[in-house]
Amino acid sequence: EVQLLESGGDLVQPGGSLRLSCSASGFSFNSHAMSWVRQTPGKRLEWVSLIGAASSVTLYADSVRGRFTVSRDDSKNTLYLQMDSLRAEDTAVYYCAKWDGVSTSWYLYDHWGQGTHVTVSS
Amino acid sequence: IVMTQSPGTLSVSPGESATLSCRASESVGYTVAWYQQKPGQAPRLLIHGASTRATGIPARFSGSGAATEFTLTISSLQSEDFAVYYCQQYNHWPPVFGGGTKVEIK
Repeated sequence: EVQLLESGGDLVQPGGSLRLSCSASGFSFNSHAMSWVRQTPGKRLEWVSLIGAASSVTLYADSVRGRFTVSRDDSKNTLYLQMDSLRAEDTAVYYCAKWDGVSTSWYLYDHWGQGTHVTVSS
Repeated sequence: IVMTQSPGTLSVSPGESATLSCRASESVGYTVAWYQQKPGQAPRLLIHGASTRATGIPARFSGSGAATEFTLTISSLQSEDFAVYYCQQYNHWPPVFGGGTKVEIK
């Protein structure tokens, strides 16, 4: 059974930093692209970042490029999102999502974690 | 690309059908997925390739459409189907989700 478990969400002040983690199990983590998708308080879903298998590629939304860094440790089956220079508009539930493994597009997600809450406020 | 869903809220009685729409601002071929989200839960993949049901999804969920117009139909709504539904285009960067349609009990 595929399981994705996020952690690391917290209340942080504007300008602060946070590192999110996503622990994966039940599939070949090292052969799958993984993404972070966030859901705003208004319930809008926003794609944040993607990392390819073997860290072959990293992609970011314009709104987070230069502030967020995605990485993975295949030896630990764990995905990370380092979030720096946080802003109020980064407040959201952050989900890790797994590429379905079949689609030619890495942006089709067949499993999502339960999410971790990030609140940016003074 | 902008994905626009309508209506924002759909009130349906159990046993009836629901038709949800999703419009893309430019052609995305067949690369549209539909997700279901219940309160406090993560999104769940229902449909990909505009019309292919994901593993384990009941046959009462069907998708159709191409290019810029897509539809998710839920026939004979069950109590567990009342939720928010999102469409997503996944062929072009960046991947974009629609704003969602809430299906509520009438």
